Amino acid sequence: DQQVKQNSPSLSVQEGRISILNCDYTNSMFDYFLWYKKYPAEGPTFLISISSIKDKNEDGRFTVFLNKSAKHLSLHIVPSQPGDSAVYFCAAIGLGGADGLTFGKGTHLIIQP
Amino acid sequence: GAGVSQSPSNKVTEKGKDVELRCDPISGHTALYWYRQSLGQGLEFLIYFQGNSAPDKSGLPSDRFSAERTGGSVSTLTIQRTQQEDSAVYLCASSLRQTTNQPQHFGDGTRLSIL
Repeated sequence: DQQVKQNSPSLSVQEGRISILNCDYTNSMFDYFLWYKKYPAEGPTFLISISSIKDKNEDGRFTVFLNKSAKHLSLHIVPSQPGDSAVYFCAAIGLGGADGLTFGKGTHLIIQP
Repeated sequence: GAGVSQSPSNKVTEKGKDVELRCDPISGHTALYWYRQSLGQGLEFLIYFQGNSAPDKSGLPSDRFSAERTGGSVSTLTIQRTQQEDSAVYLCASSLRQTTNQPQHFGDGTRLSIL
């Protein structure tokens, strides 16, 4: 039973446009949500996070939105750049952090020139 | 470097051998986590340490797996009598402390191949 779902295995976006990556979760005990970016043969790199008490967090070109009632979060990247091409993982963790991060299966973002 | 360091980066071994994977967390990070990613699968949480203590070992796949952390720093993940299904990338992460609002930072992993 997948508790964190990324339903789009891949997404292609033109350079300069907005990239929107989506993530849904089922566990209402999740308290903190994160997005990671991963290149082949490297570990995931932390991008941005959001606490369950907020609905938006922004850091430069990256914005994460959280809709708790819908159990949905999204990552917006604007403007998209060629270096953004990577696999993006959504992750969540419950209060206390004892169970580690639960990850989605990832979305492969491809930025077209 | 200031990031999480894992060694070896690659390990190929024969079925039945024991292997030891090492993780050196970011200095000052008290929480340490182990994950693995099998081929075609997502990242799977294995175990976490707060300081030297691992309160819950139920995420380890079998009793052939063990982990320890000494001095609140370096951690080792040991797999005894390796099986082919143990082939995966083993990732370590650390965070400033074991609370929810601290991001985990990952190493580049150890790619383990069991022949």
